[in-house]
Amino acid sequence: DVKVTQSSRYLVKRTGEKVFLECVQDMDHENMFWYRQDPGLGLRLIYFSYDVKMKEKGDIPEGYSVSREKKERFSLILESASTNQTSMYLCASLQGGRDTQYFGPGTRLTVL
Amino acid sequence: KQEVTQIPAALSVPEGENLVLNCSFTDSAIYNLQWFRQDPGKGLTSLLLIQSSQREQTSGRLNASLDKSSGRSTLYIAASQPGDSATYLCAVRPNNQGGKLIFGQGTELSVKP
Repeated sequence: DVKVTQSSRYLVKRTGEKVFLECVQDMDHENMFWYRQDPGLGLRLIYFSYDVKMKEKGDIPEGYSVSREKKERFSLILESASTNQTSMYLCASLQGGRDTQYFGPGTRLTVL
Repeated sequence: KQEVTQIPAALSVPEGENLVLNCSFTDSAIYNLQWFRQDPGKGLTSLLLIQSSQREQTSGRLNASLDKSSGRSTLYIAASQPGDSATYLCAVRPNNQGGKLIFGQGTELSVKP
């Protein structure tokens, strides 16, 4: 079974802090994604990566950056956390072709 | 710009009932469409994936259909059970956009014993 893990289930940070959210997949997938989920807005794509060191902006990249130094790991970075980044963050991976996306359990981030 | 809409936003049914969840999308240039299940506070679990060339997929009590030309998909759940209570999300994968998914807002289903 494909497994996608995220470093924390719950995280509380203060405004202005630099925040790292880590995602690891164990199936050698090429593509990885970061989404955020908010009530009334649904899931929205922040960034995605189709290969090591490659990244593409999604629909809402402002205030975020990403890092993919190894194929199995995709990190989401909040350079200076703000209260409007309080959200559920979901990571996903995809082999490409006709396959499904596999999601991690999510990280609920609260910025105070 | 692709938009995905799910109706209804919430649904409450008695156990044993058959039900249909609806999903519509505005751009028919899709690679595939997926239905996911999400339990409160959890990640997403893929239920069914329909390729753009397919009309339906079935898994157990679940059947999903796709009509690309009209921009519609339905998820049919037969003989619903309390364990089916969750939020169901529809997502389309547009062509040539790196595998990204565009999600609907979901339908929150409650099955009463």
